[in-house]
Amino acid sequence: KAGVTQTPRYLIKTRGQQVTLSCSPISGHRSVSWYQQTPGQGLQFLFEYFSETQRNKGNFPGRFSGRQFSNSRSEMNVSTLELGDSALYLCASSLGTGGFDIQYFGAGTRLSVL
Amino acid sequence: AQSVAQPEDQVNVAEGNPLTVKCTYSVSGNPYLFWYVQYPNRGLQFLLKYITGDNLVKGSYGFEAEFNKSQTSFHLKKPSALVSDSALYFCAVRDTNAGKSTFGDGTTLTVKP
Repeated sequence: KAGVTQTPRYLIKTRGQQVTLSCSPISGHRSVSWYQQTPGQGLQFLFEYFSETQRNKGNFPGRFSGRQFSNSRSEMNVSTLELGDSALYLCASSLGTGGFDIQYFGAGTRLSVL
Repeated sequence: AQSVAQPEDQVNVAEGNPLTVKCTYSVSGNPYLFWYVQYPNRGLQFLLKYITGDNLVKGSYGFEAEFNKSQTSFHLKKPSALVSDSALYFCAVRDTNAGKSTFGDGTTLTVKP
């Protein structure tokens, strides 16, 4: 069974641009969560989607948004990029939304904002 | 609000020696606790979880973790460390209802030959 696939793996953007990251969950998984990982802040929760609905949202500005499609694939978008948005963005999928569900992570998209 | 603390940024052990990576948590209800490992340029990989039941949980690659409710701890252990265990380890707690996971800051484990 294929794992969680994130594309692209690397991105370089300039300040003010916008970016879209994609995540394909494990087949059969309906929950997708997004995290931002930086050396200074660690792993920060962005949002979680289940059945095309956002269930939870972290403490990020409105420039960060996401969506989930009917096939459970998810995208996150960051508009008006800032230097501080440079990070590894990780997507995780799980079967459901129970607290006991294991999250399976993709390899991440490394975003560099210049 | 839930939180996780990993008090050690770095743990160094010699190959063949036992290792412990510490984690304490705070959560309002019953905790769901997880350990993940991250290798360079990779995502996180699941090691083990505690939901309920036996306080000693066994996971992948010979790792185990001990849940201690009174000390609100969930320390990761391995009886005999391997050089290949060198990586970044994260402890996480999940709310019983929400999908949000709260992660610790991570502990870098270095196993020297």
